[in-house]
Amino acid sequence: DAKTTQPPSMDCAEGRAANLPCNHSTISGNEYVYWYRQIHSQGPQYIIHGLKNNETNEMASLIITEDRKSSTLILPHATLRDTAVYYCIVTLSGYSTLTFGKGTMLLVSP
Amino acid sequence: EAGVAQSPRYKIIEKRQSVAFWCNPISGHATLYWYQQILGQGPKLLIQFQNNGVVDDSQLPKDRFSAERLKGVDSTLKIQPAKLEDSAVYLCASSPAEDWISGNTIYFGEGSWLTVV
Repeated sequence: DAKTTQPPSMDCAEGRAANLPCNHSTISGNEYVYWYRQIHSQGPQYIIHGLKNNETNEMASLIITEDRKSSTLILPHATLRDTAVYYCIVTLSGYSTLTFGKGTMLLVSP
Repeated sequence: EAGVAQSPRYKIIEKRQSVAFWCNPISGHATLYWYQQILGQGPKLLIQFQNNGVVDDSQLPKDRFSAERLKGVDSTLKIQPAKLEDSAVYLCASSPAEDWISGNTIYFGEGSWLTVV
């Protein structure tokens, strides 16, 4: 699986958009980009995933650059409950395994 | 839909003692995983089952850790004897193992917190 690079921490004001970047410059053509988050004392929670196109669901949007070497997870209106560690993972879907890095600790403040 | 169930939620044991964790995956999910998460780090895969067969146990410390999945449903993870460095959260997860085109999603339980003293 391709490696990912994320900032260790980010801050965001409540109600504003949170934009979490991820670099995956060695991604191969058939690897997916997955985002999970982990709220304190809970297991990781699936957010969104994509291959080439931008994706949106009820939780977030995923923007993947045209060369696929980086992506951004967007939480459009961050709330205090969005404070968590966010993991960007690149993986070959079908193998059903996820390799986690250290992720980005997002702190949403009032 | 019920989520991945794990027990016990918390466990404190002395080093060299044994401990077992239980996991009940989401109904119908063929793939089951055990992850270890040490404080401040991301989860690390210990073992992956497909139905009741082991797919990947390359990172399982087999001298002290064992896991089984009976009848392809529930699973137990055992540590014997425990060491101080085994203090961690043990996360169970499951996946429906859909075809790769639709993309696999893995669902995690809340974890079992182990402290070895």
